[in-house]
Amino acid sequence: QSVVTQPPSASGAPGQRVTISCSGTSSNIGSRTVNWYQQLPGTAPKLLIYDTDQRPSGVPDRFSGSRSGTSASLAISGLQSEDEADYYCAVWDVSLNAVVFGGGTKLTVL
Amino acid sequence: EVKLVESGGGLVQPGGSLRLSCAASGFTFSDYWMAWVRQAPGKGLEWLANIRQDGTEISYVDSARGRFTISRDNAKNSVYLQMNGLRGEDTAVYYCARDFGGYDSYDLWGQGTLVSVSS
Repeated sequence: QSVVTQPPSASGAPGQRVTISCSGTSSNIGSRTVNWYQQLPGTAPKLLIYDTDQRPSGVPDRFSGSRSGTSASLAISGLQSEDEADYYCAVWDVSLNAVVFGGGTKLTVL
Repeated sequence: EVKLVESGGGLVQPGGSLRLSCAASGFTFSDYWMAWVRQAPGKGLEWLANIRQDGTEISYVDSARGRFTISRDNAKNSVYLQMNGLRGEDTAVYYCARDFGGYDSYDLWGQGTLVSVSS
């Protein structure tokens, strides 16, 4: 059981907007920046969002990140079939002195 | 080409040891923190350890502390993970990753190396 919690699954139809949540505590999300990763089947994770709401070069602006208190969210708009993947939030935990990953959310494009 | 290539994985008996290597190329390795992350079959990602550019600062997750040791050799553009006392639950794909901005944000990952712990 991770110290940051994500829903195990999410889904949406092509073109729709989907939001994936990441719930933590004051020791992690509440005090540190959040990162999001996308992992396609059989591949290494890819950085999607860093510093809570920043996109690395090459990541489409359909992907956006935000935070409110001890929760963070990843929003994907204009859903596409190639967005079907596992998504992980990750954040430094100041109590554990370690990075903690959420359990991951499997996104299905209907 | 900017890349990370892990090696050293394989089948090991419970209680055994293994040393993973990660060779970096295409960028100035000594400018970056580096980390190891693993993924058990069908499971999520688990961060294991990170190491500062000059090796003077290291952190571990509780499950790795005392059994795993991260190190680096900037002259060889490589980071290592020495794993001792291996258990079945250590079976996983092990990735090395580059922290590009100091936010524990990993922008470059290797392809991973599989470690299987079984008798």
